[in-house]
Amino acid sequence: GAVVSQHPSWVICKSGTSVKIECRSLDFQATTMFWYRQFPKQSLMLMATSNEGSKATYEQGVEKDKFLINHASLTLSTLTVTSAHPEDSSFYICSAPGQGDYGYTFGSGTRLTVV
Amino acid sequence: SQQGEEDPQALSIQEGENATMNCSYKTSINNLQWYRQNSGRGLVHLILIRSNEREKHSGRLRVTLDTSKKSSSLLITASRAADTASYFCATDKDGNYQLIWGAGTKLIIKP
Repeated sequence: GAVVSQHPSWVICKSGTSVKIECRSLDFQATTMFWYRQFPKQSLMLMATSNEGSKATYEQGVEKDKFLINHASLTLSTLTVTSAHPEDSSFYICSAPGQGDYGYTFGSGTRLTVV
Repeated sequence: SQQGEEDPQALSIQEGENATMNCSYKTSINNLQWYRQNSGRGLVHLILIRSNEREKHSGRLRVTLDTSKKSSSLLITASRAADTASYFCATDKDGNYQLIWGAGTKLIIKP
């Protein structure tokens, strides 16, 4: 089945630094990738939709200059949290649409802690 | 954004019992999907049910959809400790790949 590999699984960084999260589709081409943020014990919040070769579409309230999304190829989408602050600490998950009845394929998530 | 609500928010049952979770949504949909999330992990797709379907089975899972009530239920039969996880429903309104998520049900199976 379709697999999305997300790295890193967890990262701790200092305030003011930038962190890049990668999602790769391993056995299929993902023209679209969704990026979510999840707070503890809460549901997923869609941050942005990335499409290969074009600019990402950000949800209302999400700072595009802070959360840089790049979808340069059909197998790689990246989210860069720039000038990270403690309030950016969260669980970030990527997801690619599936085919037919197979739903969406999710990465394993990245736990970001900003200290 | 969250379209629907799930109930219960939390459910704790004994191993071997059946677990039922419900999901309600607000607008018309193309399909509804159920996902499982183990603690600190990504989500795993369980079942997709289309708006013209009323019931679907997959192993120990049974999903129903009532579009007139804008609700769905997920039944897990003969629960196992490994079923302990959070379960989310998500609706696809237009078939355009954008999912709207419910709040989730945290299921605990006691051995």
